[in-house]
Amino acid sequence: VQLQESGPGLVKPSQTLSLTCTVSGASISSTTYFWNWIRQPAGKPPQWIGHVYKTGSADYNPSLKNRVTISIDTSKNVFSLQMRSVTATDTAFYYCARDGGFFDDRGSYHGWFDSWGQGTLVTVSS
Amino acid sequence: QSALTQPASVSGSLGQSITISCTPTGDGIGNHKYVSWYQQNPGKAPKLMIYDVTKRPSGVSFRFSGSKSGNTASLTISGLQAEDEADYYCSSYGGSPTFWVFGAGTKVTVL
Repeated sequence: VQLQESGPGLVKPSQTLSLTCTVSGASISSTTYFWNWIRQPAGKPPQWIGHVYKTGSADYNPSLKNRVTISIDTSKNVFSLQMRSVTATDTAFYYCARDGGFFDDRGSYHGWFDSWGQGTLVTVSS
Repeated sequence: QSALTQPASVSGSLGQSITISCTPTGDGIGNHKYVSWYQQNPGKAPKLMIYDVTKRPSGVSFRFSGSKSGNTASLTISGLQAEDEADYYCSSYGGSPTFWVFGAGTKVTVL
């Protein structure tokens, strides 16, 4: 499976950041994976933004959930990120990634990010 | 709030073995049972090296291994090579409300 991010590399403060991840080599609708957005400011560790399932159900990082929406379009085999009211602190490399995990018999989740896009730099600046 | 603690840096000579630890702290530390490890080279996306604490994906060198003692997970690189010089991150799923956490990263230097 391959993932590719696309979207504007420059966003003005207070505007909305919009990115799309195109998935190839696998059909989002026929798999049981979570599809993720992860960002990484220069020199800092990755930060999980959120994930979406093929049904459209999504979960978000509590620190970002008020500004973020992740959606999925199974007909186009893509999923998308919208982040509202951005500031300079949202400047980062943004990655989409597949979580190849599963729930075990006791309901515990075993997760890992086994496929990543190459990443796209988004700069927030006027 | 939960977090994963890693040493900032680890170094070793060519051919030696090094170990990087990853310890969950804060709320819900017991939820972070299943750790994965990622290697990141400058300007590149992270690459999965170990998943589910001890499992190695196809194509990853056998020199990389994962283990766990108590709450602390570890990544060991055996027979250190120059190409192993990179940043390494651990990560774990802890369920709601935090979901996913990454460690701050460990810079591995090959002397």
